[in-house]
Amino acid sequence: NAGVTQTPKFQVLKTGQSMTLQCAQDMNHEYMSWYRQDPGMGLRLIHYSVGAGITDQGEVPNGYNVSRSTTEDFPLRLLSAAPSQTSVYFCASGHYEQYFGPGTRLTVT
Amino acid sequence: AQRVTQPEKLLSVFKGAPVELKCNYSYSGSPELFWYVQYSRQRLQLLLRHISRESIKGFTADLNKGETSFHLKKPFAQEEDSAMYYCALRPLSNTGKLIFGQGTTLQVKP
Repeated sequence: NAGVTQTPKFQVLKTGQSMTLQCAQDMNHEYMSWYRQDPGMGLRLIHYSVGAGITDQGEVPNGYNVSRSTTEDFPLRLLSAAPSQTSVYFCASGHYEQYFGPGTRLTVT
Repeated sequence: AQRVTQPEKLLSVFKGAPVELKCNYSYSGSPELFWYVQYSRQRLQLLLRHISRESIKGFTADLNKGETSFHLKKPFAQEEDSAMYYCALRPLSNTGKLIFGQGTTLQVKP
């Protein structure tokens, strides 16, 4: 099992550009989520999904979109990147114990 | 409000010294609490959960509902314990949603 995979590992965007962060899991977990990690702020929940076709907002959803068309994939879309979205993004899946991906380090200039 | 607070950004101790990483929470129901750890260049991973009352890598954590705390303790720190530690609360029993604290970096000096 690959567990939770994320691509890309690193990304630099200019303000206003859009992009999609990919997340996939092969553990057949219904629950998946996206977090951002910022110094002094811990991990903050962006969006989550409790199954295919069902998504909901977390603590900091503004500027991000998600969809869940399959159990395996949960992409995170940045619609118009802003410098405030410079962060490390983690995808996780699981019900009780959360399994995390390796992270995507995003810089918006 | 549902909140997890880790008051220390950095905790620095010498090898062999006792360690206590503090975690306080705010939650109106019966919480489920966890400690996650992120070692350098590794993924965030579950360290322990309050419900199983286990000891992992010498670490223990007891849920104190009266003080709304879930402090992580280890009697003798090792250099390999150096990492970022996150306390997390799960507010609903039927989802995986977690609320994390700000994290504490534990630095164990030789």
